[in-house]
Amino acid sequence: EDKVVQSPLSLVVHEGDTVTLNCSYEVTNFRSLLWYKQEKKAPTFLFMLTSSGIEKKSGRLSSILDKKELFSILNITATQTGDSAIYLCAVGRSNYQLIWGAGTKLIIKP
Amino acid sequence: NAGVTQTPKFQVLKTGQSMTLQCAQDMNHNSMYWYRQDPGMGLRLIYYSASEGTTDKGEVPNGYNVSRLNKREFSLRLESAAPSQTSVYFCASRDISTDTQYFGPGTRLTVL
Repeated sequence: EDKVVQSPLSLVVHEGDTVTLNCSYEVTNFRSLLWYKQEKKAPTFLFMLTSSGIEKKSGRLSSILDKKELFSILNITATQTGDSAIYLCAVGRSNYQLIWGAGTKLIIKP
Repeated sequence: NAGVTQTPKFQVLKTGQSMTLQCAQDMNHNSMYWYRQDPGMGLRLIYYSASEGTTDKGEVPNGYNVSRLNKREFSLRLESAAPSQTSVYFCASRDISTDTQYFGPGTRLTVL
């Protein structure tokens, strides 16, 4: 059965800390891995990864995929209170579906 | 562009009542999706439509029906609501070139 597992489920850090969120997967017909940020409403897209070892960056956020070991990490440096959110990982299959992890709830304390 | 829109934003139903959640997208995407999100369980796929004229069951289709009215619109119907269907419902559409799904603002549904 296809599955996407995120860890940790929740994380509390202080402003300025660096955090690493993990996403491991076992999915047939892998196409892509996506990261989303969900604050109070709908998930918003962060990154899409398809190739191993190529880092994607956007400001203080970065992500990388390892297709051999079947995982991805999302790094956030110099965290701010506005980074508090649920971070969702999803893996795209060739049949149009995304398989979603349960998310990591990140809380940044001032 | 409005992106993905959903109506209503909130709804309270009594057990056994029916309702339809509406979704529309203006990004010319072929694929559209309905999810439910419950605390601690992430997003679960109810139904999806790979293209206009087709619909398929997802992970949790029981108690729901869908209609892909045209390329823009994809509705979700609860024929006889149950308390277990209390959830937040998201509609999404997919950009096939990037696999990215874009989400509507969600409908918070409570079934009493």
